[in-house]
Amino acid sequence: DIQMTQSPSSLSASVGDRVTITCRASQSINYYLNWYQQEPGKAPKLLIYGASSFQTGVPLRFSGSGSGTDFTLTISSLQPEDFATYYCQQSYSIPYTFGQGTKLEIK
Amino acid sequence: EVQLVESGGRLVQPGGSLRLSCVGSGLTFSDYSMNWVRLAPGKGLEWVSYISSSSNSIYYADSVKGRFTISRDNAKNSLFLQMNSLRAEDTAVYYCASSPLRRGTYEFDSWGQGTLVTVSS
Repeated sequence: DIQMTQSPSSLSASVGDRVTITCRASQSINYYLNWYQQEPGKAPKLLIYGASSFQTGVPLRFSGSGSGTDFTLTISSLQPEDFATYYCQQSYSIPYTFGQGTKLEIK
Repeated sequence: EVQLVESGGRLVQPGGSLRLSCVGSGLTFSDYSMNWVRLAPGKGLEWVSYISSSSNSIYYADSVKGRFTISRDNAKNSLFLQMNSLRAEDTAVYYCASSPLRRGTYEFDSWGQGTLVTVSS
């Protein structure tokens, strides 16, 4: 199985900050990397697919990059509604696997 | 607008069975592969099962293999998860999630609101 490792596990930041979350795969997954946002009590929401493609309706302050084993999600200027948990997920091979999550909290 | 609505979650005793359902609207159901994903208390997201658009391919996480069965009825825009021999560690919110065939990147682009399964005596 492909292991996905996210860092950091938690992060405190302020509105307006630029934030980067990283995700590393235990083997190459080409560009089959997706990012999701989950607020407490709500369903996950797809932000980025294929490592860098924007899901329709997602604000452009979210961006993704990387290929192979190393990927990043960047939020260019944090907004109050961005404080949530973020997960990376590989869709290169089954079993699909998620990172452990990054909880983004208000400083 | 795509909507996925799960149902069937409840409190069940260890060893019991449960059948979850997910009904889709606003999409051509047969154009999507479907998945079940769960979120256990205090844990992260875990993929549970996959079914292809025509039901030809089916996969399970090792943690549920042999106990859970995924199925779908495209005529009724419905996805199912039959859960047998339930254990305490199956306690979670279960989400159905769609994966569009057209992109070929297998991301989960729409999710239901989730249904809570609690396994406890």
